[in-house]
Amino acid sequence: DAKTTQPTSMDCAEGRAANLPCNHSTISGNEYVYWYRQIHSQGPQYIIHGLKNNETNEMASLIITEDRKSSTLILPHATLRDTAVYYCIATRIQGAQKLVFGQGTRLTINP
Amino acid sequence: GAVVSQHPSWVICKSGTSVKIECRSLDFQATTMFWYRQFPKQSLMLMATSNEGSKATYEQGVEKDKFLINHASLTLSTLTVTSAHPEDSSFYICSASSGNQETQYFGPGTRLLVL
Repeated sequence: DAKTTQPTSMDCAEGRAANLPCNHSTISGNEYVYWYRQIHSQGPQYIIHGLKNNETNEMASLIITEDRKSSTLILPHATLRDTAVYYCIATRIQGAQKLVFGQGTRLTINP
Repeated sequence: GAVVSQHPSWVICKSGTSVKIECRSLDFQATTMFWYRQFPKQSLMLMATSNEGSKATYEQGVEKDKFLINHASLTLSTLTVTSAHPEDSSFYICSASSGNQETQYFGPGTRLLVL
């Protein structure tokens, strides 16, 4: 699976959009980009995933560059409950998905 | 939908005893379940992958005789930590997937403290 690179930490004001970048420059054509988040002392929560098209659901939007070498997770109106560690993971489509968690981005939403 | 539960949520045991952790998919059939471990201030590390009805596949460095995994049904997998020692104290998290190319959903985790 392709290695991903994320900033160690980010801050965002409550009510503003939080934009979390992820670099996956070595991603291959059969790998999805997945985003999970982990709130303190809980199991990871699935947010969104995509292959090459931009995706949106009730939680967030995922913007993937045309060359697929990077992506951005957007939380449109961040709340204090969005404070968590956010993980960007590239994982292959075929077979059981072995998710390799990096250190993620610690996002802090400030009042 | 896609709810995964774990039991117990936390457990304290004496060194040398065995502890069983259950992972259940509540509203879908999980053909594949995964077990992860997370030490304080570290990221999740995959321990093993199990498919229903077959033996688990362990990651390098994970002792299969110490961490027994059973995936006997499409909704239940168990992890037994045998002869637990203080260094096994960790946060154990399972995830479940309904099949290839399907999203993994995680349980809430089980915190194990071995005294």
